[in-house]
Amino acid sequence: EVQLVESGGGLVQPGGSLRLSCAASGFTFSKYIMHWVRQVPGKGLVWVSRIDNDGSTTHYADSVKGRCTISRDNAKNTLHLQMNSLRAEDTAVYYCVRDLDGYNYWGQGALVTVSS
Amino acid sequence: DIVMTQSPDSLAVSLGERATINCKSSQSVLHSSNNKNYLGWFQQKPGQPPRLLIYWASTRESGVPDRFSGSGSGTDFTLTISSLQAEDVAVYYCHQYYSIPHTFGQGTKLEIK
Repeated sequence: EVQLVESGGGLVQPGGSLRLSCAASGFTFSKYIMHWVRQVPGKGLVWVSRIDNDGSTTHYADSVKGRCTISRDNAKNTLHLQMNSLRAEDTAVYYCVRDLDGYNYWGQGALVTVSS
Repeated sequence: DIVMTQSPDSLAVSLGERATINCKSSQSVLHSSNNKNYLGWFQQKPGQPPRLLIYWASTRESGVPDRFSGSGSGTDFTLTISSLQAEDVAVYYCHQYYSIPHTFGQGTKLEIK
């Protein structure tokens, strides 16, 4: 069974940092492109970042470019999102997503709250 | 960026009736190299992550009931629920994965009339 389990969310002050992780299981993690997508509670879905299966190529939304870094450890089947210089508008649930002919598996999400 | 616009924003349909949600992209998401539309549809219920219903605009994901269907090409797409069931109450999103940044429609809230 495919599973994606996010961790690392929480409350952080503006300007602070947080590292999200996503533990993958039930599939060959190293074969898949992965994404982070966020959602402000009650609002729509916003793509954040993408990483190729071998980690060689990454992409970011303009809203997080320069502040966030996506990475992966294929030996540990783990995806990461390092978020720095956090702002109130980064408050959202962050989903880890597997990409195969579309976003076919999503984690349950990790809530990040940026507030003083 | 490709802008995805859904209509309507909300929809109330009687049980057993047809529900139709439209999605328009600001530019074509049809890839000429493989003749595939990079368009997906998601269902999201409260407190849950989105669930992929349709990919390549018209291919039903495994396990999705056949009352859900997708159609369209280029810039205009439709999600149809042929006979609405109570468990279909949710927010539905279209999504383009043709070009970075991948973008979503604003969502359509589907309710029972």
